[in-house]
Parts: sequence; C-alpha cells; structure tokens
Amino acid sequence: GQQLNQSPQSMFIQEGEDVSMNCTSSSIFNTWLWYKQDPGEGPVLLIALYKAGELTSNGRLTAQFGITRKDSFLNISASIPSDVGIYFCAGRPYSGGGADGLTFGKGTHLIIQP
Amino acid sequence: DAGVIQSPRHEVTEMGQEVTLRCKPISGHDYLFWYRQTMMRGLELLIYFNNNVPIDDSGMPEDRFSAKMPNASFSTLKIQPSEPRDSAVYFCASSLFGEKLFFGSGTQLSVL
Repeated sequence: GQQLNQSPQSMFIQEGEDVSMNCTSSSIFNTWLWYKQDPGEGPVLLIALYKAGELTSNGRLTAQFGITRKDSFLNISASIPSDVGIYFCAGRPYSGGGADGLTFGKGTHLIIQP
Repeated sequence: DAGVIQSPRHEVTEMGQEVTLRCKPISGHDYLFWYRQTMMRGLELLIYFNNNVPIDDSGMPEDRFSAKMPNASFSTLKIQPSEPRDSAVYFCASSLFGEKLFFGSGTQLSVL
C-alpha cells in the first residue's frame, strides 16, 4: 500500500514558538488532509487541500499542498498550550478514486514545555 | 449536528469473549469507515461501507472480525473470539462522497 512519512515524530517546543511539520509520499497525491487528535478523542479535521501549491489557513494553522504533489506541510504560529496533541497527515493517491485510498501518517506528537 | 457516536467508550473483556462495538454515523453521510489505532501501527483501515454496502474489507485482520451496516444510521464491528492482541482503540468515521472523514471518539478495547 501507499507509504506516508510524517516528520518529525515528536516536537518539544516552548509556548509562543512556531511549529512546522511535514508529510511525504512515494507517489503523487490529489488530496491532503491534516487532523489533530487530543488524548482520549478521535482525530479532528483541521485543513483539507485539493490542489498542488494550494495554501490554506485555519486560524494560526496554515497548510500547503506541495507543488510536487508528493508532500504537504503544516505550520502552527505562536503555539499555545491547547495546541498539544498528535497531528496526522492523510492523503489520497492520484490514481485512487475511492475512499479507501486515504492513507494516514504515523503522527507528530507536539509537546509544549513549560 | 451530532457527530459520529461510538459506544461503548471503554470495553474490558477476557480473552475468548465476544466484543461488539457500535457506531452511529453523521446523518446524511454515505460512507462509513472502521479504523484501529495502536502505537505500533498507527491508524489502520479495517473496512469501509458505501451506502450500507461493504466495499473493502481487506484490512480486517482475521475471520474473527466482522462488520455490518444494517441501515444508514448504524454499524457494528464484532470480534469473536477476542484475543489480547486485539487491544487497541477502534474508531468509526463517516464522510460524504468519501472525502473528508469525521471521526467518533473511539472505543478503547482491552482484552485480558
């Protein structure tokens, strides 16, 4: 199946810092989604991207669909304590026409140091 | 609008027992997915339905796992008999046209 490499695996940051994470795939994707999971809850959709080069914001979050179609990036500006959680990328391969083409990365654990 | 509703939130059972997980998708959504999440393997797709019909169950680990969707508002995932290695968080998700997935809060399953 498709492989998604998400990095970094974990991040230890100070409150107020900016955060960057990314996902890369071995093949071309036509959809990228970013989710956040809080402890004891299911993943919640943050941003959806559908076009190469697309840049979309949701508050302090900004995500980009890489121009190569094989990667996506998520940035969080001025982090706050409630940003703590696990961030997942998910993508659908260009050749995948069905819902089963959605593949998830392993997640980036964001930890804010006091 | 209520989101995806899963029950129970937590299930503790003994090896060999039957386990049934339940899901109510978002009204109007035509796709329903069952995922399993573990530390080692992350989120794995087990099976998904479109308009109540199972489309792909290739992710179901063994014959001990079965899923049904008798109508548009209800689905079950059953494990019989359960084993300790089935311990994980099981998520149900629904979507419209298979695009953005909306997840439930999950069922934390512990098989002793």
